[in-house]
Amino acid sequence: SYVLTQPPSVSVAPGKTARITCGGNNIGSKSVHWYQQKPGQAPVLVIYYDSDRPSGIPERFSGSNSGNTATLTISRVEAGDEADYYCQVWDSSSDRGVFGGGTKLTVL
Amino acid sequence: QVQLVQSGAEVKKPGASVKVSCKASGYTFTSYGISWVRQAPGQGLEWMGWISAYNGNTNYAQKLQGRVTMTTDTSTSTAYMELRSLRSDDTAVYYCARISGWSFDYWGQGTLVTVSS
Repeated sequence: SYVLTQPPSVSVAPGKTARITCGGNNIGSKSVHWYQQKPGQAPVLVIYYDSDRPSGIPERFSGSNSGNTATLTISRVEAGDEADYYCQVWDSSSDRGVFGGGTKLTVL
Repeated sequence: QVQLVQSGAEVKKPGASVKVSCKASGYTFTSYGISWVRQAPGQGLEWMGWISAYNGNTNYAQKLQGRVTMTTDTSTSTAYMELRSLRSDDTAVYYCARISGWSFDYWGQGTLVTVSS
């Protein structure tokens, strides 16, 4: 089955740029989606189709995907961005969804 | 506006079954699939399976095959997830989510299922 690998944690100072990676075999050939989850809340879609933002998601959130790594980039990080972030793809060969293990973003 | 409203928390004994509902509103129910995702305490998101609200086709995570059944009732725009032979490691928050372009664009509020003797 398809495996997505994320770093367990990323730390960044306010106002700086955070980059969260999601590794997978030839992930660049798949569409990657990203979710933000704050404690006690349901996940929220923040990036879909590698780099598109749903309405209401700040432009500070962006995504890219190439080769074996997809990246979620959060510019001008704010305290309110502190959360767990998950990448997700649809494995078309098995017709199943796959999540990465999640990355805890800490704002210093 | 799109809403997915799930049923309330459940406490079950090991070996029992649980059925969680997810009532959709604000969109044409049969135009989208529904996935179920669970999250054990302090753990990450685990995809459980999906159901087409259009034709009822399903596909489940390999580890849950044989214990999980997903269904829909199009007359009430409600999706259901039943999990049988519950074990302690099934204790988790269970979410339903609408599938759009193979992402999950709207989520229910979550249902805590606790399995304990």
